[in-house]
Amino acid sequence: EAGVAQSPRYKIIEKRQSVAFWCNPISGHATLYWYQQILGQGPKLLIQFQNNGVVDDSQLPKDRFSAERLKGVDSTLKIQPAKLEDSAVYLCASRRTGDNQPQHFGDGTRLSIL
Amino acid sequence: AQSVSQHNHHVILSEAASLELGCNYSYGGTVNLFWYVQYPGQHLQLLLKYFSGDPLVKGIKGFEAEFIKSKFSFNLRKPSVQWSDTAEYFCAVSGGGYQKVTFGTGTKLQVIP
Repeated sequence: EAGVAQSPRYKIIEKRQSVAFWCNPISGHATLYWYQQILGQGPKLLIQFQNNGVVDDSQLPKDRFSAERLKGVDSTLKIQPAKLEDSAVYLCASRRTGDNQPQHFGDGTRLSIL
Repeated sequence: AQSVSQHNHHVILSEAASLELGCNYSYGGTVNLFWYVQYPGQHLQLLLKYFSGDPLVKGIKGFEAEFIKSKFSFNLRKPSVQWSDTAEYFCAVSGGGYQKVTFGTGTKLQVIP
């Protein structure tokens, strides 16, 4: 099966600009996750969708970050305005419904803020 | 709230040495446990997982992990490492109705030929 697709792979912007990332999960995977992975740290969950509904966004900085999954398939994550501390790799993962199902990760988008 | 601790941040081993990476978690309910590996320049890949049953889990590339419930641990082991095992290893736990996943901070393994 095709894996989780993310774009772009790299993005460089200046602080206070806005940026958007796109994720297309594996077909049939109802759960979609966005993670932020800062250099030297483990992935931190930003938001989790079940189909097109949000089930966890407790660690999403909602004053600047937003995400949507309108049709329950692909998803976009937006940062507006970006800050220097947002420099990180943004990972998308998806998972099939069911207790014994692991996550599958995309290659991530490496964001650099100047 | 669930959390994961990985005690070793950076491990350097010679080829053929044995490996054990520590992972402890905290969570009040039933958990699923994972080890992921990230090779340089690649995405996170599942190494092995524990959901239930035999607490000794075997994964890909000769890795195994043992779930010790009384110690809240899920340590990763390999009897003899290879240079190609150089990577970053992440322990993760999921639990709750929506299976929220929490990652540890990762352990960088460097294997010297």
